[in-house]
Amino acid sequence: GENVEQHPSTLSVQEGDSAVIKCTYSDSASNYFPWYKQELGKGPQLIIDIRSNVGEKKDQRIAVTLNKTAKHFSLHITETQPEDSAVYFCAASTWTGNQFYFGTGTSLTVIP
Amino acid sequence: DAEITQSPRHKITETGRQVTLACHQTWNHNNMFWYRQDLGHGLRLIHYSYGVQDTNKGEVSDGYSVSRSNTEDLPLTLESAASSQTSVYFCASSRSPGYGYTFGSGTRLTVV
Repeated sequence: GENVEQHPSTLSVQEGDSAVIKCTYSDSASNYFPWYKQELGKGPQLIIDIRSNVGEKKDQRIAVTLNKTAKHFSLHITETQPEDSAVYFCAASTWTGNQFYFGTGTSLTVIP
Repeated sequence: DAEITQSPRHKITETGRQVTLACHQTWNHNNMFWYRQDLGHGLRLIHYSYGVQDTNKGEVSDGYSVSRSNTEDLPLTLESAASSQTSVYFCASSRSPGYGYTFGSGTRLTVV
């Protein structure tokens, strides 16, 4: 089955700096890659996703890039703010698959 | 507004007792999932359902069971609670393959 690895496990940045979280996957059939943000005491919330027919997607300060050849995708957060502090999870799935395979999470701390 | 709710939010139970965690969604999603979240392991799939009367085992299904008698509900039962089942449990739903999950707020279960 699919194996998703996520790095780093913890990340601290100064407010205003950029943060990058990287994930790799093993199954070349995977073609849908969502990212989730989990705030303390809450369930994960979908923040952005990308499908294999595009290489990059942006939504305001958040962007995701995908390199299918290398089987890796990344989350980029620019101009970080304290409210960006949370745990971020990447995941991988296929068009026809209902299951997601999650990375182990990155705890992001934005220092004011 | 549509939502997915889990109950209870917190529960303490004794080893050997049967415990049922509730999950109810009003999104009319066919697909429902149960995950457990443990430090260092991320989100691990317990059971999932693609529709009424359909249930499937995930990677950590031992000691757990689910049943799906209607679209809205997927209760998770721990047949005989063990200390290793102390965890935070998340229910999720999705409308179809290739779309992200909507998660509930979680149930923190402690087995003593």
